[in-house]
Amino acid sequence: GAVVSQHPSRVICKSGTSVKIECRSLDFQATTMFWYRQFPKQSLMLMATSNEGSKATYEQGVEKDKFLINHASLTLSTLTVTSAHPEDSSFYICSARPIPGTSGGSYEQYFGPGTRLTVT
Amino acid sequence: GIQVEQSPPDLILQEGANSTLRCNFSDSVNNLQWFHQNPWGQLINLFYIPSGTKQNGRLSATTVATERYSLLYISSSQTTDSGVYFCAGGLSGGYQKVTFGTGTKLQVIP
Repeated sequence: GAVVSQHPSRVICKSGTSVKIECRSLDFQATTMFWYRQFPKQSLMLMATSNEGSKATYEQGVEKDKFLINHASLTLSTLTVTSAHPEDSSFYICSARPIPGTSGGSYEQYFGPGTRLTVT
Repeated sequence: GIQVEQSPPDLILQEGANSTLRCNFSDSVNNLQWFHQNPWGQLINLFYIPSGTKQNGRLSATTVATERYSLLYISSSQTTDSGVYFCAGGLSGGYQKVTFGTGTKLQVIP
């Protein structure tokens, strides 16, 4: 149980184009999903918290107009990198937390396999 | 925000050896997890352990919440244990976001 998928796993795009990444919780519902970014040999940095039915909460320094987040249902959140540039190349990872009360009081997060974005 | 430091940053073990990884938090947390990131980048949940001790096979973890640290023990290490180990913690209020530690890169050699 507690499986999270991401699509695509790898994407190469040209500078100036937009890329959408999907994050799905396959066997549980999640009112809250998180988007992280990881540069090579570094830790994960939280970009934003995605909340079903409301606006995402962005971490300081993350441009909300560049990284558009939509949490359309209890099993799907999307991250769109708009007007991508080479400096946006990174490994993007999402996570999901089961709805409170359905996981025995745990706040455990489950992670997707990640999306490697390369902007040329 | 919360700062999370892990030690050691790098560790090389002979297969069969035991090791202890440490995670220190700058502030109290009541939402704490340990992960293993495999070579393909997938984060594998090891423990959800805001306090106390848990064991799963050759792995065990202990969190002393009052002293703001957590330990991950790996016994009889295997080459498949290689990878990066992260701890992540936060407060269980709001959206329960967590801050990731700096990571420990483990290499187990035959």
